Amino acid sequence: DVKVTQSSRYLVKRTGEKVFLECVQDMDHENMFWYRQDPGLGLRLIYFSYDVKMKEKGDIPEGYSVSREKKERFSLILESASTNQTSMYLCASSLGQGLEQFFGPGTRLTVL
Amino acid sequence: TQLLEQSPQFLSIQEGENLTVYCNSSSVFSSLQWYRQEPGEGPVLLVTVVTGGEVKKLKRLTFQFGDARKDSSLHITAAQPGDTGLYLCAGEGKSSGDKLTFGTGTRLAVRP
Repeated sequence: DVKVTQSSRYLVKRTGEKVFLECVQDMDHENMFWYRQDPGLGLRLIYFSYDVKMKEKGDIPEGYSVSREKKERFSLILESASTNQTSMYLCASSLGQGLEQFFGPGTRLTVL
Repeated sequence: TQLLEQSPQFLSIQEGENLTVYCNSSSVFSSLQWYRQEPGEGPVLLVTVVTGGEVKKLKRLTFQFGDARKDSSLHITAAQPGDTGLYLCAGEGKSSGDKLTFGTGTRLAVRP
């Protein structure tokens, strides 16, 4: 059974803290994605990666960075968390262009 | 940035009723995917449509891709409580590679 796992389901941090969200997939997929999900806005792409050590900015990269040191792991980093980064964060992976994206269960992050 | 607007944003219906969800854009998409997301989980792919005018059926769900590949619809016949969830359309642009643009989402509640 294919699987995308995320390190935490719920996370509470304070403004200014550095936050790491981890995502691991066991499907040997090349492509990995980080989205944030807010009511009425759907999913918005933060960053994505087509290969190890490769990253591309999505539609809303400001305030975030990513790391992909191994094919199966894609990390999202909030260098200095702010209250407007309170959201649901979803990680996904896919085998190739235009193909199905497999999602993790999400991390609900609250920044106080 | 390509935009996908879904309507309605919220829908609450009685078991056994029919419904249609719309996904509209001014942009042309190479393909369009529909996902369903249940509480506490990530989105799961329902179907992919790739040809203008294409109609796909998945049991009680009928998906249609517009002739111009700018819009799509999801019709559910005789809705059941198990259909409850957030429905998301996602389009792959002609030049966006594996990036998907997600719609704003339609939250469906089916009352027993």
